[in-house]
Amino acid sequence: IHMTQSPSSVSASVGDRVTITCRASQNIRSWLAWYQQKPGKAPQLLIYGASSLQSGVPPRFSATGSGTDFTLTISSLQPEDFATYYCHQGHTFPFTFGPGTKVDVK
Amino acid sequence: QVQLQESGPGLVKPSETLSLTCTVSGASISDYYWSWIRQPPGEGLESIAYIDNSGNTYYNPTLGSRVTMSRDTPKKQLFLELNSVTAADTAVYYCARPKYCTALTCWGLDYWGQGILVTVSA
Repeated sequence: IHMTQSPSSVSASVGDRVTITCRASQNIRSWLAWYQQKPGKAPQLLIYGASSLQSGVPPRFSATGSGTDFTLTISSLQPEDFATYYCHQGHTFPFTFGPGTKVDVK
Repeated sequence: QVQLQESGPGLVKPSETLSLTCTVSGASISDYYWSWIRQPPGEGLESIAYIDNSGNTYYNPTLGSRVTMSRDTPKKQLFLELNSVTAADTAVYYCARPKYCTALTCWGLDYWGQGILVTVSA
């Protein structure tokens, strides 16, 4: 299953609302996760099951979608949110990742 | 608290075998699925292999027959072997645990090791 993300990068300011889109080449129902990765660090799980917030993740992160189209939203960008975000399908092995969306400072 | 720690050589010669160990604490490895993920420098993430709670293994077909994942349950260790390596196998290698899996469908990876950079070079 091929995963795409848009945009590939976004420049934003603290307090902005940021939306990232992920699309799967086939129906993956709700078997989608979102991660945040900072340079030199392992990815951190934000969202699982397409819309469930991982424990300890701030509620400014939310996600929706099912089937082939998914969205991650950061409602009010904080300084610690500048990072790269990946979607990841867990429906069909090999589980594939999107190419990533880099959120940087405007 | 679940913790994962990768270990192994940071430099492997072309055509040789890359061998990594992931040591798990805070969880029984026979109760969960586990995975190896890699990330070439400056690039995205790639699933390499998974092992389920019964010890069945699943490999990314793009790696063909070059990859083997195994486990030592009493020692709480997972292993990755990748043979006939080339420069294209240079990457940070992570071991990670899926949050939940059933019948090889999985809900994301909630625990990750810190990763180990493996460089393939003569």
